[in-house]
Amino acid sequence: AQSVTQLGSHVSVSEGALVLLRCNYSSSVPPYLFWYVQYPNQGLQLLLKYTSAATLVKGINGFEAEFKKSETSFHLTKPSAHMSDAAEYFCAVSDNNDMRFGAGTRLTVKP
Amino acid sequence: NAGVTQTPKFRILKIGQSMTLQCTQDMNHNYMYWYRQDPGMGLKLIYYSVGAGITDKGEVPNGYNVSRSTTEDFPLRLELAAPSQTSVYFCASSYGRSGANVLTFGAGSRLTVL
Repeated sequence: AQSVTQLGSHVSVSEGALVLLRCNYSSSVPPYLFWYVQYPNQGLQLLLKYTSAATLVKGINGFEAEFKKSETSFHLTKPSAHMSDAAEYFCAVSDNNDMRFGAGTRLTVKP
Repeated sequence: NAGVTQTPKFRILKIGQSMTLQCTQDMNHNYMYWYRQDPGMGLKLIYYSVGAGITDKGEVPNGYNVSRSTTEDFPLRLELAAPSQTSVYFCASSYGRSGANVLTFGAGSRLTVL
């Protein structure tokens, strides 16, 4: 069965610093991978997705993620954090039948 | 374009009471889902539906029931509420089943069982 592990339930960065949120997956078939963001009191929104076209995926709000098959990773990065990036981020893996979510990483941005 | 609409946003139930969480989507999506979100646990799939009249269990279906009489609506019913059902519930929809399909989520319904 496929699964996702997000390393670090809380990440805190200063405004302007690099954001790195870690995600490792397990899948028996070539996976589809997603990052969703959840702002306070809202539902999840798609940030970006990987569907095997290109290993470096660019998403909204300056975020990007790189698919590394050898490391089974799909880490999310942003060069410079903004206060508005404070939210919870979920990595998800999908095959043709099921989507599984990680436990989430709460990002705090300090002024 | 409303997307996925859930009601109510908040509800407090007593143990043993029943209630229905409503979910409506206006995107003509075939697939609809109910997830629960618990702190540090991510999202767990409760039930899903592949179209009107067809539903199936997800990872954590015990204590819940669903129906899908129309493409638009996918209500979730809690029978005999228990404290373990205290959670935030999200309804979602998608055009296709998993794979590369993106889920569109509602804003969530926060349920407390006392």
